[in-house]
Amino acid sequence: GDSVTQMEGPVTLSEEAFLTINCTYTATGYPSLFWYVQYPGEGLQLLLKATKADDKGSNKGFEATYRKETTSFHLEKGSVQVSDSAVYFCALSVGTGNQFYFGTGTSLTVIP
Amino acid sequence: ETGVTQSPTHLIKTRGQQVTLRCSSQSGHNTVSWYQQALGQGPQFIFQYYREEENGRGNFPPRFSGLQFPNYSSELNVNALELDDSALYLCASSAVGVSQETQYFGPGTRLLVL
Repeated sequence: GDSVTQMEGPVTLSEEAFLTINCTYTATGYPSLFWYVQYPGEGLQLLLKATKADDKGSNKGFEATYRKETTSFHLEKGSVQVSDSAVYFCALSVGTGNQFYFGTGTSLTVIP
Repeated sequence: ETGVTQSPTHLIKTRGQQVTLRCSSQSGHNTVSWYQQALGQGPQFIFQYYREEENGRGNFPPRFSGLQFPNYSSELNVNALELDDSALYLCASSAVGVSQETQYFGPGTRLLVL
């Protein structure tokens, strides 16, 4: 079935460090891929998305490239800030039903 | 343009009771999906409504049911509550007729079952 596997956390980084959060997927069709972020006590916010192979999604300094050959959508940021501390979820949507499959989330803490 | 809103924000129930959670979709969206997010986990798809009809369902028992109204708002009803139903319930809306479209999430309702 369709699923997403995310790097387990928690991840703790110093400010200005490089961030990578790994995400791989399994899908029966041609999925769209998403990264959502959840700040403490809040709902999920879309961070970025990519709808086809080789697309790169980007937002707020975060980037992820849709790699069909490795079925991956790793999230990267060159220099993290304290305000990036949150839980990050990788997700996919496939087929006409627009059902989303989420990974288990990766908690990121950035320390000054 | 208003975002997705949910009510109530928090709720405490006892085992065996019934609960109704409410969601108003983002302006211009007519598809609503509901998710259950247990503590420390990713959201799990419960079901989706499109044009007032159920349009897909995840692996949840029939005691989880829903409604969508003509104004595209939606309800999630859970009967015979169990302790494991304690979770954050998220509602998400998306645009009409567009598959794999971005879903926009509300802040959630946190349900505690004692």
